Amino acid sequence: DTGVSQDPRHKITKRGQNVTFRCDPISEHNRLYWYRQTLGQGPEFLTYFQNEAQLEKSRLLSDRFSAERPKGSFSTLEIQRTEQGDSAMYLCASSLGGMSYEQYFGPGTRLTVT
Amino acid sequence: GQNIDQPTEMTATEGAIVQINCTYQTSGFNGLFWYQQHAGEAPTFLSYNVLDGLEEKGRFSSFLSRSKGYSYLLLKELQMKDSASYLCAVRKDGGFKTIFGAGTRLFVKA
Repeated sequence: DTGVSQDPRHKITKRGQNVTFRCDPISEHNRLYWYRQTLGQGPEFLTYFQNEAQLEKSRLLSDRFSAERPKGSFSTLEIQRTEQGDSAMYLCASSLGGMSYEQYFGPGTRLTVT
Repeated sequence: GQNIDQPTEMTATEGAIVQINCTYQTSGFNGLFWYQQHAGEAPTFLSYNVLDGLEEKGRFSSFLSRSKGYSYLLLKELQMKDSASYLCAVRKDGGFKTIFGAGTRLFVKA
């Protein structure tokens, strides 16, 4: 257990529905990252936050994806109008900030779109 | 563009030494990570190299050559629990965006 928690751990939804995932980073960490991982691949960068500011977003993050970190603590990732291709493990990670770059990953939320 | 290449799979024997290579071509470079990921679990940090050379940490060592766009992870005295995927990742210039390779699945046999 790294101290990063994600909720829910599993989500099954029908195509076209909206889903929202939550990530609680390690409390003193000011950087928070979202990744998507499919079987046999490495994590694919989606976005990251420095405190509450979203500093970079992948071009892969289409208009259907949005992330927030309103108070610089927990973060949410919402997927609207889910598609079968969105089925994946969604990983959240946090890092302390400053010159510390090591990322601590949460257990992930596994999304299945039927 | 960006490209990170690692072998897909490797097999080694318990007690032996294995070297996992990673080559990268990225638009911007500011450091290279190695992470370990056991099946069904989240990645865990192993090493971070910014400067050229070898960094040793217990049974694991990581090497970086920035001019060659090349890194390797060296695992000594292999144990069965080292069977996992090993992910090479590059931190890009100017921020903290991290690009991961597809990973190398290492099988350690008795």
